[in-house]
Amino acid sequence: DAGITQSPRHKVTETGTPVTLRCHQTENHRYMYWYRQDPGHGLRLIHYSYGVKDTDKGEVSDGYSVSRSKTEDFLLTLESATSSQTSVYFCATQAGQAYGYTFGSGTRLTVV
Amino acid sequence: GNSVTQMEGPVTLSEEAFLTINCTYTATGYPSLFWYVQYPGEGLQLLLKATKADDKGSNKGFEATYRKETTSFHLEKGSVQVSDSAVYFCASNAGGTSYGKLTFGQGTILTVHP
Repeated sequence: DAGITQSPRHKVTETGTPVTLRCHQTENHRYMYWYRQDPGHGLRLIHYSYGVKDTDKGEVSDGYSVSRSKTEDFLLTLESATSSQTSVYFCATQAGQAYGYTFGSGTRLTVV
Repeated sequence: GNSVTQMEGPVTLSEEAFLTINCTYTATGYPSLFWYVQYPGEGLQLLLKATKADDKGSNKGFEATYRKETTSFHLEKGSVQVSDSAVYFCASNAGGTSYGKLTFGQGTILTVHP
């Protein structure tokens, strides 16, 4: 079983609709992160979580919300999708502060 | 603030050539440093890391040495292969109030030709 599973892998949605991306981990890692990856911008942090119900904003959090009701699941919601949110979204987990990340395979989201 | 600056690409090499991708960082405290690799259509994978000054991380023929005096963590490989074609990201775990969050460089695209 993959340690981190992102779903869906691909999604096309219309402007103005809500969208939820899911990240599921079997690593029992405390820390979880959502990034978006865009050409020319590298990886940008959207939101992160240091534990169940403990979340905070990253550098590009406008238009996004997150929830973490269980250790293994971290949900990213685009409240009303816009074309500027077309991107590849990556979830990452981290065992502790001194460790690197383990990344999921990504979700490619297209907003039309 | 904390930042990571890495060599802009793309970098194009012939097989068996020597590779260097430069990475420098700014951080408060004593960061851990990482190199990640991303193959097409995949997520990032940890390639190597170093957690303190003068540490050398190594994996799959790649090496990087944590140089505190020059705040650098340059990635090197003596003889690249076509299969090394990918995007490489340098990252820093700045510590302090940043906890475990990583700051990433912009990424360097490497293409290796036969």
